[in-house]
Amino acid sequence: QSVLTQPPSASGTPGQRVTISCSGSRSDIGISTVNWYQQLPGTAPKLLIYKNTQRPSGVPDRFSGSKSDTSASLAISGLQSDDEADYYCAAWDDSLNWVFGGGTKLTVL
Amino acid sequence: EVQLVESGGVLVQPGGSLRLSCSASGFTFRSNSMSWVRQAAGRGLEWISYVSDTSRSIYYADSVRGRFTISRDNAENSLYLQMNSLTAEDTAVYYCARVVGPFRQTYFDYWGQGTLVTVSS
Repeated sequence: QSVLTQPPSASGTPGQRVTISCSGSRSDIGISTVNWYQQLPGTAPKLLIYKNTQRPSGVPDRFSGSKSDTSASLAISGLQSDDEADYYCAAWDDSLNWVFGGGTKLTVL
Repeated sequence: EVQLVESGGVLVQPGGSLRLSCSASGFTFRSNSMSWVRQAAGRGLEWISYVSDTSRSIYYADSVRGRFTISRDNAENSLYLQMNSLTAEDTAVYYCARVVGPFRQTYFDYWGQGTLVTVSS
């Protein structure tokens, strides 16, 4: 069972906006910034959002992150077929662990 | 270009041992902390170990503490994971990842392609 809670699945049609939630606690998201990783089928995870809202170079601005208290969200606007992937939130907790959500499988209908 | 290349994943019997390696290039390895993260088939990501740039700080997840040992050789730009007393629950793809930032703002910015460890008789 993962420390951070994400919905197991999400879906949307091309062009739509979808959001994925990530819920934690005062001992993880409450004291740490949140990061998001995208894992395309059969590939390694890739950093998508770091420090709650920052995008690495090369990540389109269709992807955005937010954080409030002990929860966070990833929003994807202008949904495209190649956004179909697993998305993981992650944070650091006060037990000196890095913790992940269980992952959300995004389907583009 | 930052590159992380894992190796050493094989089929091993329960109770056996294995050493994974991660070869780093394209950045100043000795200046960066590193971690191992694993993923069982069809499952989510699980952080398992961290080592600071000088190896002064080392941390483990409860699931592997006492059985796995992380180490690094900055002269060889390499990260290692010694895995002992392996069980079926250790079967997973193992990724090495570069760690950025102080703990409360930390993240993994580059990942290797992963190496598959299968524990089975």
